[in-house]
Amino acid sequence: DTAVSQTPKYLVTQMGNDKSIKCEQNLGHDTMYWYKQDSKKFLKIMFSYNNKELIINETVPNRFSPKSPDKAHLNLHINSLELGDSAVYFCASSTRRTEAFFGQGTRLTVV
Amino acid sequence: AQTVTQSQPEMSVQEAETVTLSCTYDTSESDYYLFWYKQPPSRQMILVIRQEAYKQQNATENRFSVNFQKAAKSFSLKISDSQLGDAAMYFCASRLYSGAGSYQLTFGKGTKLSVIP
Repeated sequence: DTAVSQTPKYLVTQMGNDKSIKCEQNLGHDTMYWYKQDSKKFLKIMFSYNNKELIINETVPNRFSPKSPDKAHLNLHINSLELGDSAVYFCASSTRRTEAFFGQGTRLTVV
Repeated sequence: AQTVTQSQPEMSVQEAETVTLSCTYDTSESDYYLFWYKQPPSRQMILVIRQEAYKQQNATENRFSVNFQKAAKSFSLKISDSQLGDAAMYFCASRLYSGAGSYQLTFGKGTKLSVIP
C-alpha cells in the first residue's frame, strides 16, 4: 500500500514536447506539493495545494501547471519542455501535524 | 521568508562512531516543525526524525537524536553507532504553518554523509 505514488519513475523526452507526471496519495492528507530536485540535489518547492486550492506558486515558469482533479491527486503538466527542465520531480503530501510523505520521484530527462 | 542552512556539504564518519550534522534555520514564528530527511542513492525521501517547536525535549529515534536549540535556531542531528546503511544525503527541513490551512516547507541544501568501513 504505497502512501504517495507518482508515475512514471523515469521519463525521457525531446525538447518542445508536453508531458505530465501523475501523483496520488491515499493518506487522506489535505496538502500536496511538487518539488524539483536539481543536479546539485537542491530541493525547491514548486507548488503547494491545500484543499484543491493553489497556495504557493514559487517563481516557476508558467509552462508548469499543477492540476488537482480531487483531494487525492495532484498532477504536474509541463509544456514545451526545455533542457533545463531535466531534474527529479517529487510529489509529497502532509497535514498540519505530520511530516511530508514523498513519492519515489520522477527522473525527467529532456534531450 | 524562512531559510534553512546546512553548512556542511559533505561529512564522513567511521563505522560504529558518532557524527553530528548541523542545521540552522530562520523564522520569526512560534508554531513550526523541523525535520531531518535521508535520501539514499535510491532517491527515496525518508523521514529520520521530527521536532515540534513547542516541545522543549529533544526528539530521539533509536540511533538518531537531535539537539534543538530554539533560541539559537539550531537543529543538529546526531547519528550514533553509524552503520554503512546510514550513508546518504541528509536534508534538514522546516515547516511553517502560515495560516488559512496553508504551509511552507523549506529544505536546506543537504549534507552528503559517507560511512567508512
